Amino acid sequence: QVQLVESGGGLVKPGGSLRLSCAASGFTFSDYYMSWIRQAPGKGLEWVSYISSSGSTIYYADSVKGRFTISRDNAKNSLYLQMNSLRAEDTAVYYCARPPTSDYDSSGYWDYWGQGTLVTVSS
Amino acid sequence: DIVMTQSPDSLAVSLGERATINCKSSQSVLYSSNNKNYLAWYQQKPGQPPKLLIYWASTRESGVPDRFSGSGSGTDFTLTISSLQAEDVAVYYCQQYYSTPLFTFGPGTKVDIK
Repeated sequence: QVQLVESGGGLVKPGGSLRLSCAASGFTFSDYYMSWIRQAPGKGLEWVSYISSSGSTIYYADSVKGRFTISRDNAKNSLYLQMNSLRAEDTAVYYCARPPTSDYDSSGYWDYWGQGTLVTVSS
Repeated sequence: DIVMTQSPDSLAVSLGERATINCKSSQSVLYSSNNKNYLAWYQQKPGQPPKLLIYWASTRESGVPDRFSGSGSGTDFTLTISSLQAEDVAVYYCQQYYSTPLFTFGPGTKVDIK
């Protein structure tokens, strides 16, 4: 069965860095676009970043552009999010998510989500 | 960016009654070449990740009870729970994927039991 397991969250000071990982299993990871989506405590959902199956196409939300870097290692079935220059407003649960098919047209909605990893940015 | 709004912010419905949630996009999410609305609905319960309910505005995800239905086109959409059950208490989000990959969610609607 499809599983997505995030790790790497924790407490970090403003201006610090953190690297999140998402271990995927139960499907052919290299076929799928993947996204990171976050949710601040008690708030709604915010899409953060998107990477194509090969890793050649990458996009970011304006709120994280220039500070976050998404990447993937298809040989390791893993997705990553390098987060630099962290701010208090980056405090959130970060989810990795997979769309239902490998088609580009369906890459923008997600039927599999991990349980999330909490990132807290505070001094 | 396409801005998504939802109404109401919250609603309380008696068990077995109908719950209706509205979602509006700041521009059309209907792609004319394939006549598809790039709109999804999710349910999120406390402490859990979101669960996909509806995609293409009206296609129910496999395993989702048929009391959940989606409708609408262009800029105005509705999620209907035809007969509210206790397990439907949750926050519901709409999300557009028309402007791939700049995806945006609505602010959410909290559904409770009256």
